Amino acid sequence: AQKITQTQPGMFVQEKEAVTLDCTYDTSDQSYGLFWYKQPSSGEMIFLIYQGSYDEQNATEGRYSLNFQKARKSANLVISASQLGDSAMYFCAMRERRNTGFQKLVFGTGTRLLVSP
Amino acid sequence: SQTIHQWPATLVQPVGSPLSLECTVEGTSNPNLYWYRQAAGRGLQLLFYSVGIGQISSEVPQNLSASRPQDRQFILSSKKLLLSDSGFYLCAWRVSYNEQFFGPGTRLTVL
Repeated sequence: AQKITQTQPGMFVQEKEAVTLDCTYDTSDQSYGLFWYKQPSSGEMIFLIYQGSYDEQNATEGRYSLNFQKARKSANLVISASQLGDSAMYFCAMRERRNTGFQKLVFGTGTRLLVSP
Repeated sequence: SQTIHQWPATLVQPVGSPLSLECTVEGTSNPNLYWYRQAAGRGLQLLFYSVGIGQISSEVPQNLSASRPQDRQFILSSKKLLLSDSGFYLCAWRVSYNEQFFGPGTRLTVL
């Protein structure tokens, strides 16, 4: 079974600095996908970034980038130039595919990021 | 545009009462739909998924059930709520292999 591990329950960063949120995964699949979501206090899950296992380049979306190290099975999220509005829970997830073709996401336990002025 | 709705946003129910949470999507047809639950301070647990009308698969045995009466409607139900059913319920919609979007969620408190 696939597993996502987020070892940082909480992270602190000052505004305008960069921060890295760790995510390691375990899978025997050759083809897989990794997602990062942001969950502010309102509860909604906001999709941030996606990395496919066969993507040769690290994914980037604005201030978000994914540091994908396939051999280490890690997919860390890097947020550059942190903003106060970045304070939230961040979840790493992996796409798990069944033999039926059905796909679901397996989530880590999350990291709470607090950005201070 | 593609949108996903959930209601109610917040619900407080006594133990033993029934439950019905609704999720609807707009701007697509035949979507893959999911119900997740998030306990306080925890990650998301997949409860049910549906690939079409009347097609429901359960991930974990529990006190809940799901139905899909229409193509873009997904309902989560219970006949008798337990305290352990409290949590944040999220409906999700898989747009493509690399896109899965979530609704705004329903915060359920069982007293």
